[in-house]
Amino acid sequence: ILNVEQSPQSLHVQEGDSTNFTCSFPSSNFYALHWYRWETAKSPEALFVMTLNGDEKKKGRISATLNTKEGYSYLYIKGSQPEDSATYLCAFPVPNTGNQFYFGTGTSLTVIP
Amino acid sequence: EAQVTQNPRYLITVTGKKLTVTCSQNMNHEYMSWYRQDPGLGLRQIYYSMNVEVTDKGDVPEGYKVSRKEKRNFPLILESPSPNQTSLYFCASSYGMYGTIYFGEGSWLTVV
Repeated sequence: ILNVEQSPQSLHVQEGDSTNFTCSFPSSNFYALHWYRWETAKSPEALFVMTLNGDEKKKGRISATLNTKEGYSYLYIKGSQPEDSATYLCAFPVPNTGNQFYFGTGTSLTVIP
Repeated sequence: EAQVTQNPRYLITVTGKKLTVTCSQNMNHEYMSWYRQDPGLGLRQIYYSMNVEVTDKGDVPEGYKVSRKEKRNFPLILESPSPNQTSLYFCASSYGMYGTIYFGEGSWLTVV
């Protein structure tokens, strides 16, 4: 079992605030790190797949950075909107297994109008 | 439309009554998986498959079986369901090793 941890577990912010949360993962044998967004009553949807140390990806107001040497990734949301309310999951593929993944337990974000 | 379709979406069954949750994807993906979601535990992988006839255990395979006889289908079989298998189940597929995961809509299963 690999340790993929996300913090904080939940977050409440006011509309317009910027926020960020963390995913930590094993730094040895890194292959990739995924971020997913999961809205209530829907299925998780991909945000980013990150593979290179120092990588930074952006999708609208959401961006993510990656530090493979220390084993963490940050997800940032700029100017949070109520529609950003969701659970954000990170997933770590286990090297040399073909398709085995470990997911973090997620950060639940609530944006208060 | 590219999608992963799983059925049934909701099921209440009794302990010991065999059931199958079907999963089909129309994206020609080689890789498919089953996950279960439980409060406080996150998504945990049950089984995964790298191609037809190639499957392997994930983190929580006990009490489940899978088969991959065709590329598009990956059914999850509960031979003798027990109450601790009450959960939300997701089927998923991806293209390429460790590629972006596409999830089905989820199946709520209750075992009484």
